[in-house]
Amino acid sequence: EPEVTQTPSHQVTQMGQEVILRCVPISNHLYFYWYRQILGQKVEFLVSFYNNEISEKSEIFDDQFSVERPDGSNFTLKIRSTKLEDSAMYFCASSAPTGGSSYEQYFGPGTRLTVT
Amino acid sequence: GEDVEQSLFLSVREGDSSVINCTYTDSSSTYLYWYKQEPGAGLQLLTYIFSNMDMKQDQRLTVLLNKKDKHLSLRIADTQTGDSAIYFCAVLNSGNTPLVFGKGTRLSVIA
Repeated sequence: EPEVTQTPSHQVTQMGQEVILRCVPISNHLYFYWYRQILGQKVEFLVSFYNNEISEKSEIFDDQFSVERPDGSNFTLKIRSTKLEDSAMYFCASSAPTGGSSYEQYFGPGTRLTVT
Repeated sequence: GEDVEQSLFLSVREGDSSVINCTYTDSSSTYLYWYKQEPGAGLQLLTYIFSNMDMKQDQRLTVLLNKKDKHLSLRIADTQTGDSAIYFCAVLNSGNTPLVFGKGTRLSVIA
């Protein structure tokens, strides 16, 4: 069964460094998302992406964050200058297969980002 | 904005039924979901219900929706140790919009 994959599974970085989190959405999906979950908190929406542009973003998604689909398969989240409070589990999701339903979002296993 | 609330913990004996509850605030929520997260794993879509339905059954899972009270529940029949996980309630208003999640209910199944 097709699934969303994410790399790395765990990333440790120093405050102020740039990180790139990578995701491979399900191949025939059209919408891509990033969510994050700070330890013990709710899963929060960051950004959605469709047709090579951001379709919606939350207040969390400030100028330090950017997303890109550099090729036909990868979807990346970049944090330019990490802060301690960026430590969280980051989930990628995808939905809307070509010609299919658009309300089922499938999640990857997550990347645990630890900022020291 | 939308707020989704769940109780944080539930403990049941193996073989009993589990009922996980969720409340939400936005009456225009159209799609309501249950996701399961096992330790170290991602969010697995378990089941979902449209707001024009009261109930949906899928093998051991039964979802009940009370739109008037904005209350969603997930019943797991004959709960097994493999059902131990965190269960997240999530809602959205229309396709391709962000999901709004609850904090998750940690289900512990005692053998």
